[in-house]
Amino acid sequence: NAGVTQTPKFRILKIGQSMTLQCTQDMNHNYMYWYRQDPGMGLKLIYYSVGAGITDKGEVPNGYNVSRSTTEDFPLRLELAAPSQTSVYFCASSYDSNTEAFFGQGTRLTVV
Amino acid sequence: AQSVTQLDSQVPVFEEAPVELRCNYSSSVSVYLFWYVQYPNQGLQLLLKYLSGSTLVKGINGFEAEFNKSQTSFHLRKPSVHISDTAEYFCAVSDLSNTGKLIFGQGTTLQVKP
Repeated sequence: NAGVTQTPKFRILKIGQSMTLQCTQDMNHNYMYWYRQDPGMGLKLIYYSVGAGITDKGEVPNGYNVSRSTTEDFPLRLELAAPSQTSVYFCASSYDSNTEAFFGQGTRLTVV
Repeated sequence: AQSVTQLDSQVPVFEEAPVELRCNYSSSVSVYLFWYVQYPNQGLQLLLKYLSGSTLVKGINGFEAEFNKSQTSFHLRKPSVHISDTAEYFCAVSDLSNTGKLIFGQGTTLQVKP
């Protein structure tokens, strides 16, 4: 069982560069989420999707974009990387709104 | 809007001792409540959840939590901890908006000492 798979696991970016964090799930879940985790801050929701073709902003969406063209994939795009985007990023998915969310292993991003 | 406060950032405890990790929440609407655990360099894993019904909820690895609506709390307990319980624990709430969005607390690091 692969579950939720995130790539890459680690990445160093220079200020102003762009990149896409990949997330794919093989559980046929409708709901998908992107969170960022900063020390002592818990996790904050960046974007979420309740189904293919539907996305919406979370608590901290500035500087990010997402798309959901398929049920399986939910990539997160950083267009102009800034040091404030240094964080650990987690993708998660769930079958519906009150069932368990399954998390990926995370992507540790450093912007220098 | 909802918010979650975990009252302790770190909880050191000796092996086989009981432990309680405290969580308070604020919300103007009904919520679902969750506890997740994060082992080093891993993603989060669900320990237990409260949706409705009995206020005492049992989860995996011997953990349980009690929902107290009047005190807006959802404290996590385990009667006897093991070294392997060393991890970070997150309390989270979700409103009933059918989006599944989670609001997390700041996390509590449980350090189990031999």
